[in-house]
Amino acid sequence: EDKVVQSPLSLVVHEGDTVTLNCSYEVTNFRSLLWYKQEKKAPTFLFMLTSSGIEKKSGRLSSILDKKELFSILNITATQTGDSAVYLCAVTIKAAGNKLTFGGGTRVLVKP
Amino acid sequence: DTAVSQTPKYLVTQMGNDKSIKCEQNLGHDTMYWYKQDSKKFLKIMFSYNNKELIINETVPNRFSPKSPDKAHLNLHINSLELGDSAVYFCASSQEQGRNSPLHFGNGTRLTVT
Repeated sequence: EDKVVQSPLSLVVHEGDTVTLNCSYEVTNFRSLLWYKQEKKAPTFLFMLTSSGIEKKSGRLSSILDKKELFSILNITATQTGDSAVYLCAVTIKAAGNKLTFGGGTRVLVKP
Repeated sequence: DTAVSQTPKYLVTQMGNDKSIKCEQNLGHDTMYWYKQDSKKFLKIMFSYNNKELIINETVPNRFSPKSPDKAHLNLHINSLELGDSAVYFCASSQEQGRNSPLHFGNGTRLTVT
């Protein structure tokens, strides 16, 4: 069965800190890994990663994929209170449909 | 302007009732989905439709029946509601199934069964 595991479950940091979130996966026929940010409502798309070693960057957020070791990290630098959210990692496989298999998420709380 | 919209936002009902949740997307996407998020925040796929055709049907009780009248709409009907059905249900859409296109989610419908 496809599995996506995120760590840590939760963390509390102060504004200005850097956080690193981890996502490991065990799936057959991997196609892509996605990161989402969920505040109170809809998960919003952050990154899609398909190739190893190529960093994707958007402002203070960046992410990279290691297809050999089967994991990805999401970095947030100079954190702000608005970064407080649950960060979700999901994986798609090369099969019919665009099914996302999600991890359990990492809850990040940024204190002022 | 809302890309993926669901109604209602909240739904409180009693066990045994039948209820529906509606979803519409104005992104021109071909594929729509229903996901269920439980109290532990795990998001799990329930169904996927591509151009009105059922593509993914996970191990969901047959009390749950999706209906797609056209590719911009995917509704979810639930019969004989049970306590365990309480969750947040998210509708989503993506450009193409089978390709690398990210899902766009609606704001969710919080269903509470009492």
